[in-house]
Amino acid sequence: AQSVTQLDSQVPVFEEAPVELRCNYSSSVSVYLFWYVQYPNQGLQLLLKYLSGSTLVKGINGFEAEFNKSQTSFHLRKPSVHISDTAEYFCAVSDLVKAAGNKLTFGGGTRVLVKP
Amino acid sequence: GAVVSQHPSWVICKSGTSVKIECRSLDFQATTMFWYRQFPKQSLMLMATSNEGSKATYEQGVEKDKFLINHASLTLSTLTVTSAHPEDSSFYICSARREWLATYNEQFFGPGTRLTVL
Repeated sequence: AQSVTQLDSQVPVFEEAPVELRCNYSSSVSVYLFWYVQYPNQGLQLLLKYLSGSTLVKGINGFEAEFNKSQTSFHLRKPSVHISDTAEYFCAVSDLVKAAGNKLTFGGGTRVLVKP
Repeated sequence: GAVVSQHPSWVICKSGTSVKIECRSLDFQATTMFWYRQFPKQSLMLMATSNEGSKATYEQGVEKDKFLINHASLTLSTLTVTSAHPEDSSFYICSARREWLATYNEQFFGPGTRLTVL
């Protein structure tokens, strides 16, 4: 079984400032890692994913994340945020067992509020 | 590609009635779809895994007689909330799984359905 902890429930940030959203996970097996964004009353949009290879992953909208296996972390960063980045962000993990359906386990979410 | 739709986007119903929510993969076939429930300001909780042509697999604590799932084709799964009550009010999100790599199947999410039971 896996678990995901997003350390900050809410992150206020000024426009054009950098932001980092923290995510730690726990798993007894290797996992895939994801960050999703959810705008109000909408479904989830994939920002980026780590499956293998380079630990620094670049996604859409200028976001990037770094996988740190020793610290079991997958923190999300953006060097300069826009008002439009105001949304809820979810970190998720999936086990590597394809036969099990690659079920996703989500963290509690981090609400980012970008202020002008 | 990889678009998933849900219908309706929102629904209001009276207590005791049943509500059906559709999830469609528009441009790919999905043998597996997932149904999630999200309470306000909370995370997504997996309710069940919908398998085309077979019974759904429910997560622990989810009443299978309450939340009926039918995966009748490779592009359509339905969730029926039977005898809905106010505590069933929630945001329901589906995802469809697409074969991607030999070891990994990616999920694509629908836009969600807001259910309000009066």
